[in-house]
Amino acid sequence: AQSVTQLDSHVSVSEGTPVLLRCNYSSSYSPSLFWYVQHPNKGLQLLLKYTSAATLVKGINGFEAEFKKSETSFHLTKPSAHMSDAAEYFCVRGGSYIPTFGRGTSLIVHP
Amino acid sequence: NAGVTQTPKFQVLKTGQSMTLQCAQDMNHNSMYWYRQDPGMGLRLIYYSASEGTTDKGEVPNGYNVSRLNKREFSLRLESAAPSQTSVYFCASSPQYRLSNQPQHFGDGTRLSIL
Repeated sequence: AQSVTQLDSHVSVSEGTPVLLRCNYSSSYSPSLFWYVQHPNKGLQLLLKYTSAATLVKGINGFEAEFKKSETSFHLTKPSAHMSDAAEYFCVRGGSYIPTFGRGTSLIVHP
Repeated sequence: NAGVTQTPKFQVLKTGQSMTLQCAQDMNHNSMYWYRQDPGMGLRLIYYSASEGTTDKGEVPNGYNVSRLNKREFSLRLESAAPSQTSVYFCASSPQYRLSNQPQHFGDGTRLSIL
C-alpha cells in the first residue's frame, strides 16, 4: 500500500529562520507529489507540485521542495519564515486514482 | 472566482438527527471528494465520485451516504448522527481522478458538532 509519512507532527521556528518540513513516500515508481497549506479555519491550498519535470519545485510564498528519488523524500523548505507561514502543512501523493495524505505538520513561528 | 463552496459552515446536531452537507464546484471538474479531518489523523476519505453518475466508498464510509446530483454538486448525508461524527468535513474536486498529477481544490469546510 502506498503511504506518505510526515516525519514531524510539529515544527517550531523563529521568524526569519529557515523552515524544513520533512516528507517521505513509499513508491516503486516516481509519483506525483504535492504540498498543501491549511490556515486556521480554512481549506487546503496548493503550495506546489512535483510531476517529474524538475526535481526542484518552486511554489507560492517563497516555498520550494526537492524531489529525491534515492531517498524517497520530498521535503519542503523556505529560507526565512514569516509569521503568516504559521499553519498546517500536508504532503500528498497522487497516483492510484485516490490521493494519499500525510498526517500533517503544524508549523509554529515565534516572533 | 468561487471554486468549491460548502454549506453550511457550522452546524450543531443532536445524536440521532440527520442532515445533508452541500458542496458545489464551478470549475467544470469531473471528480469530487468528501473528507473528514480529525486532530492528528490528517484527512480521511469518506466517499468520492470519479465522474457524474458514479460514487465509491473511501476509507471511512460507515454512517454516511452521498449523492452526485449533477456535475457541479456532491452532497454528503448523515442519516443518524453520532458523536463520533463530530469533525470538520471538506469537499474537494479535481479535473479527473485518473490524472494523478492534477491537484485537488478544497472548500473551506463544514464544522460539525454532534451532542
